[in-house]
Order: sequence, then C-alpha cells, then structure tokens
Amino acid sequence: GAGVSQSPSNKVTEKGKDVELRCDPISGHTALYWYRQSLGQGLEFLIYFQGNSAPDKSGLPSDRFSAERTGGSVSTLTIQRTQQEDSAVYLCASSFRGTSYNEQFFGPGTRLTVL
Amino acid sequence: GENVEQHPSTLSVQEGDSAVIKCTYSDSASNYFPWYKQELGKGPQLIIDIRSNVGEKKDQRIAVTLNKTAKHFSLHITETQPEDSAVYFCAARGTGGFKTIFGAGTRLFVKA
Repeated sequence: GAGVSQSPSNKVTEKGKDVELRCDPISGHTALYWYRQSLGQGLEFLIYFQGNSAPDKSGLPSDRFSAERTGGSVSTLTIQRTQQEDSAVYLCASSFRGTSYNEQFFGPGTRLTVL
Repeated sequence: GENVEQHPSTLSVQEGDSAVIKCTYSDSASNYFPWYKQELGKGPQLIIDIRSNVGEKKDQRIAVTLNKTAKHFSLHITETQPEDSAVYFCAARGTGGFKTIFGAGTRLFVKA
C-alpha cells in the first residue's frame, strides 16, 4: 500500500484478556519496528524485524508481549493477559532496510485501552 | 544506557516567531539524528534529519544543528505558522544499528 497501516485504530479490552494488533508495512520494506507510546511520553522501542533474521526482542517489557512477522510482510503484536499499564498507543514503522540512514515510516497507531 | 533528553516539554510561541527545541544524547556512537512531527491522531513523520558528518542542515523554514563534541542537537523553526502546532520528537541512532532512541517530545503551540 501507499503507507503503513495498522488495525484496529482503537481497541478497548478488559484486564486479563489477550489482544492482537496488526501492522501492514510498506511493500518492499524489509525492516519493521514496533513502538509503544504512553500518554505524554516518547516512543519506547519494543521489537525489530529485519528480513528473515531473528527479531530483536530486547525492548519487550515482559513475556506477555510477543510479535511475529509472516512472510516478511504483515506483523502481529500480541499482548496476553492485558494489564491496565499496557494502555498506550502502539505504533508500527517500516523502513527499506534497517540500517542507520533509512527513514522509518510510521503507521497511525492502535490506541489500546485496558479497563 | 542510551538516552536522549529533550527540552522544553511544552513551547508556546506567537505566529511568525521562531521556535527552538534542544536535545542531548548520551551514546557517542550515535551518527544519525532524525526529527519527527506528530499531529493529533497520526503517527510521527520525519521532517528533517542530520548525519554526524554535518554540522547544520536547512530545509525552508526548518533547520537542524549538531554539536558532536557537546552531544547536542537542535531544531529551529522560523516564521512559525499555526499548522506547525504539533508534538516534535528528536531521536538518535548508532552506527550500523537499527535501534532509534527517542526524546520525550515537545508540544509546540503556535498562537495566531
């Protein structure tokens, strides 16, 4: 597509439920990133995919968080047993490659609210 | 660990005035410094970037300066307009790396 798309745009869930957030990167982009943006805060790195390499999961805050990227394209971020502190905007970005100077293009984000 | 500090957190200027946002990074290996603008309900969008081998870069009303010795970089917006109102993020990335460290953001208000 023309840009990075994310779905759903908003998700309200109850504490303890699992949620799945989807990201469709720009076609041809080999690098994909997930970030979390809490209210009034900067972007917190979660996970990075580059081509067929093993993802860098060093930013995932707990083992309740996981992500996969199928076929080198679409990615799903899964949060199990959601907690209220998981409430945030989850942003996905893609870039042509994962090297230093490649611009990251961001999607509009998914706003997650855990009640 | 790696850190990027950004100031101020909020900035209010009159239309036509200049706005300056300052950032400091901790990782001396950082070599790429992008700036993003985030409008309400949208993802951040790159507005300008600078590499470590350059001290200044300008694009119309926006400019970025980099002081590698002091590990400071700044965004300058001249002749501000109401549509410049948004949250601005600075960021830093290291050599050969993918991980981008973001500042906490500056909310800019441009009053007409």
